[in-house]
Amino acid sequence: KNEVEQSPQNLTAQEGEFITINCSYSVGISALHWLQQHPGGGIVSLFMLSSGKKKHGRLIATINIQEKHSSLHITASHPRDSAVYICAVLPTSGTYKYIFGTGTRLKVLA
Amino acid sequence: DVKVTQSSRYLVKRTGEKVFLECVQDMDHENMFWYRQDPGLGLRLIYFSYDVKMKEKGDIPEGYSVSREKKERFSLILESASTNQTSMYLCASSSGQLSYNEQFFGPGTRLTVL
Repeated sequence: KNEVEQSPQNLTAQEGEFITINCSYSVGISALHWLQQHPGGGIVSLFMLSSGKKKHGRLIATINIQEKHSSLHITASHPRDSAVYICAVLPTSGTYKYIFGTGTRLKVLA
Repeated sequence: DVKVTQSSRYLVKRTGEKVFLECVQDMDHENMFWYRQDPGLGLRLIYFSYDVKMKEKGDIPEGYSVSREKKERFSLILESASTNQTSMYLCASSSGQLSYNEQFFGPGTRLTVL
């Protein structure tokens, strides 16, 4: 079993829908990072959080440290949100190295 | 803004060639990383450097070496490229602060080995 699990693996939505992507992890962490990668593109940072909730435009990220779970929400989804969303955790075990989820591929249809 | 740049976006090489991939960051970060990304396998760490001339093997170091002679530059070397090294290669950097250590990624190099 992977230490970081994302669900769903693939998601297709209609434009305007509310989208939720989930990330569960089994290790103690100091922070969790949500990343976005458009087809053929590099990786862009969305949020890094260690507690609570962060919001940027139509994107909201939440984390529950006790339940070892984070969610990424996209409100009023748009075709330009189509991308792979990657969850990465920074363990508390004294390392700089991320543990990555395998990503969620999102396609938003017009 | 942190900027991480990679020397090429696309690269085509022949089997057996020596290949250099270069990464440069402009934020005086201590840590630099090389990853490869393959469909279905996600991001896998090849090598990590935490200081000039210091390196640590990641999860898949076989067939690769690295060089960090200057703080801002981290090179990935494929001594003798093989077709199974065809992949997307991503570089990242982060500061030396252990907590909340955000990694910043470069645009990636898509390498094809024929």
